[in-house]
Amino acid sequence: DIQMTQSPASLSASLGETVSIECLASEGISNDLAWYQQKSGKSPQLLIYAASRLQDGVPSRFSGSGSGTRYSLKISGMQPEDEADYFCQQSYKYPLTFGSGTKLEIK
Amino acid sequence: EVQLVESGGGLVQPGRSLKLSCAASGFTYSNYVMAWVRQAPTKGLEWVASISTGGGNTYYRDSVKGRFTISRDNAKNTLYLQIDSLRSEDTATYYCAKADVYYGLLPYWYFDFWGPGTMVTVSS
Repeated sequence: DIQMTQSPASLSASLGETVSIECLASEGISNDLAWYQQKSGKSPQLLIYAASRLQDGVPSRFSGSGSGTRYSLKISGMQPEDEADYFCQQSYKYPLTFGSGTKLEIK
Repeated sequence: EVQLVESGGGLVQPGRSLKLSCAASGFTYSNYVMAWVRQAPTKGLEWVASISTGGGNTYYRDSVKGRFTISRDNAKNTLYLQIDSLRSEDTATYYCAKADVYYGLLPYWYFDFWGPGTMVTVSS
């Protein structure tokens, strides 16, 4: 199985700050990576697919990058509504696997 | 508007069975791969199973093979998950998810819509 190591497990950021979350795959996944945001008590919402493509309706302050085994999600200018859990997920091989999540809070 | 609504969860004793349903609307259901993803309380997301558009191909994580069965009824726009021999570690919120694909250098798959989830609690 492809292991997705996500870091950090938690972080706090001030409003307007730029934050980055990383995912390291245990083998190359050829950009077959998505990022999801999950607010407290809600279901996940797609932010990014194919490593860097922004889902329709997602604010442009969210961006994704990476290649091979290393991928990252960047939020350029933290907003109050960005407080949530974030997960990466690979679809390169079955079983599909998720990162363990990053809890992002406002400082 | 895409809507996915799960049902069928509840409190179940270990070893018993349960069948979850997901009613889909707002898109051409028969054209899309569908999946179940679960989340244990305070834990991360865990993919459970996926099913092809026609239902002929199914995929499962190892820990549920032989106990879970994913199926779909395209005439009723409904996805199912039959769960047998329930274990305490199956306690989770079960989400129904719609898959989509972007054709770049490769096909890139992702879950673009999720239901609100249905909670399954396995306890005696």
